[in-house]
Amino acid sequence: GQNIDQPTEMTATEGAIVQINCTYQTSGFNGLFWYQQHAGEAPTFLSYNVLDGLEEKGRFSSFLSRSKGYSYLLLKELQMKDSASYLCAVFSGGYNKLIFGAGTRLAVHP
Amino acid sequence: DTAVSQTPKYLVTQMGNDKSIKCEQNLGHDTMYWYKQDSKKFLKIMFSYNNKELIINETVPNRFSPKSPDKAHLNLHINSLELGDSAVYFCASSQGGNNSPLHFGNGTRLTVT
Repeated sequence: GQNIDQPTEMTATEGAIVQINCTYQTSGFNGLFWYQQHAGEAPTFLSYNVLDGLEEKGRFSSFLSRSKGYSYLLLKELQMKDSASYLCAVFSGGYNKLIFGAGTRLAVHP
Repeated sequence: DTAVSQTPKYLVTQMGNDKSIKCEQNLGHDTMYWYKQDSKKFLKIMFSYNNKELIINETVPNRFSPKSPDKAHLNLHINSLELGDSAVYFCASSQGGNNSPLHFGNGTRLTVT
């Protein structure tokens, strides 16, 4: 079966660091994506991991452990505009089938 | 602007009606998708086309029929609309490789009354 788990909600303070975890069990693995989605808007691409380790992109970093079926998204120096849903998604099987988790709604407070 | 554009942005209609949503991408991508996002914000794949050919067809009622006249367009026609079809429908496109991110349109909010 296909299962992608992430916390439903998180809160954090402006300027702080937050880590959003994602665990997955899928039939096949061809890479993991993180997307950001503001309320009422389209999801936008943040990061991609296919090999184990950390990928850094400015204030955002993403980590992958394939053996543990685990990833996290790290957001540093949080800003109010980072309040959004963060979606973990796995490419599973053939034909570019991208399966999404239910998303983590992050609220950043002053 | 290079983008994935879909129309209409909002669609309010009654049960039993037939409606279409159009999607176009000018990114030169080979693969296009339809996703449905329900009230709990869960984004679920419905269909995928690669170069006008259907390659993914999830367990979707056959009231939903995608059509791809060319690789830049993927439209979604829905027959006999039901209350449970109310959701936001997102079109997306990608280059098609495993490391190719999906680029999403702004969504069509469908409300069936």
